[in-house]
Amino acid sequence: DTAVSQTPKYLVTQMGNDKSIKCEQNLGHDTMYWYKQDSKKFLKIMFSYNNKELIINETVPNRFSPKSPDKAHLNLHINSLELGDSAVYFCASSQDGDVNSPLHFGNGTRLTVT
Amino acid sequence: EDQVTQSPEALRLQEGESSSLNCSYTVSGLRGLFWYRQDPGKGPEFLFTLYSAGEEKEKERLKATLTKKESFLHITAPKPEDSATYLCAVQALGSSNTGKLIFGQGTTLQVKP
Repeated sequence: DTAVSQTPKYLVTQMGNDKSIKCEQNLGHDTMYWYKQDSKKFLKIMFSYNNKELIINETVPNRFSPKSPDKAHLNLHINSLELGDSAVYFCASSQDGDVNSPLHFGNGTRLTVT
Repeated sequence: EDQVTQSPEALRLQEGESSSLNCSYTVSGLRGLFWYRQDPGKGPEFLFTLYSAGEEKEKERLKATLTKKESFLHITAPKPEDSATYLCAVQALGSSNTGKLIFGQGTTLQVKP
């Protein structure tokens, strides 16, 4: 059983399009995240939700909008895609965001904008 | 500004050749330091959490240590299956940092048989 699953694994699209990435966790965790990994492998947090409530919103363009329909799901919608949005996007979850509960990551969605 | 720097960026070892990876950090107050392993095409996999200077943790051939400025990941007698990118991350104090990890750029380790 996959603990944190993301779909799709690969996403190739043209500039200006709108796309969504879906994430689901079956660990019973309360907190979910979106991280972005650039070409130099730096992972940077974008958003964090705790029990459907937004708790971290880093400096991310408002073209990115997360949505959490329930605490097991956190989706990421991106409007008007730009070349610079090309990256690997990772969903993660943890029990409560406390330091004692490590993050569990999905296997990523590689987004390529042409 | 909170920051994490890892060195070297890449490391090639022969099987059985022990070595260490370095993670230097600058953080206003450390809540915890984490080590993750990332295989190609996969998400990071949790290895260790260290909370305070002087703490050590071990798992098979890996041992992580922590000082007030840096952490080391020691790999003893590595095997080819230890080949991966090792990521270091810190979580700073403060309620606004709950769950927020600041990552380094990683060290890509290749162990040749």
